[in-house]
Amino acid sequence: GQQLNQSPQSMFIQEGEDVSMNCTSSSIFNTWLWYKQDPGEGPVLLIALYKAGELTSNGRLTAQFGITRKDSFLNISASIPSDVGIYFCAGRGTSYGKLTFGQGTILTVHP
Amino acid sequence: GAGVSQSPSNKVTEKGKDVELRCDPISGHTALYWYRQSLGQGLEFLIYFQGNSAPDKSGLPSDRFSAERTGGSVSTLTIQRTQQEDSAVYLCASSLDLQGPSTDTQYFGPGTRLTVL
Repeated sequence: GQQLNQSPQSMFIQEGEDVSMNCTSSSIFNTWLWYKQDPGEGPVLLIALYKAGELTSNGRLTAQFGITRKDSFLNISASIPSDVGIYFCAGRGTSYGKLTFGQGTILTVHP
Repeated sequence: GAGVSQSPSNKVTEKGKDVELRCDPISGHTALYWYRQSLGQGLEFLIYFQGNSAPDKSGLPSDRFSAERTGGSVSTLTIQRTQQEDSAVYLCASSLDLQGPSTDTQYFGPGTRLTVL
């Protein structure tokens, strides 16, 4: 079945630093999504990508849909303490409905 | 409210008992999804509904798990004869529909944390 490898598993950074995380897939995806999850909450959608090569920004967040359709990255610029949480990538293949999720990146920001 | 809601937020049960978890999707959303998240893990797809029908039940772990949706809105996930390995957070999501890019973007509820003793 489809698998997503998300890296890094965790990051410890200083406030103000930039962050980059990525996901790679063993197969092609038609949609890439990035979610953030805070403790005790459900994942919240950050950015959605629908076309290969697409580069989309949402405030300090920027994400790209890889040209091969098998990868995506998320960048966070000038990190702040409230960026702390778990970031998940998710992909949708050729079948509608099911999302495949990465294992998550745990982000810790030191003031 | 405007978002996906789930109830209960927490459920503690004894091994062997049945449990029902409820999801209220965003108003007007025709597609509804169930996922399971074990401690420190990513989300595992269980089942999705388009209207009241479930085209893909491939993720249900065993025949102890079932789900239904009535009136194209509320959905219930039922776990019979619960086992300790069923302990997890059960997340529900909804999307406007399944017709294509952007309209199938999934929005999640806060989840139900199930603990089986």
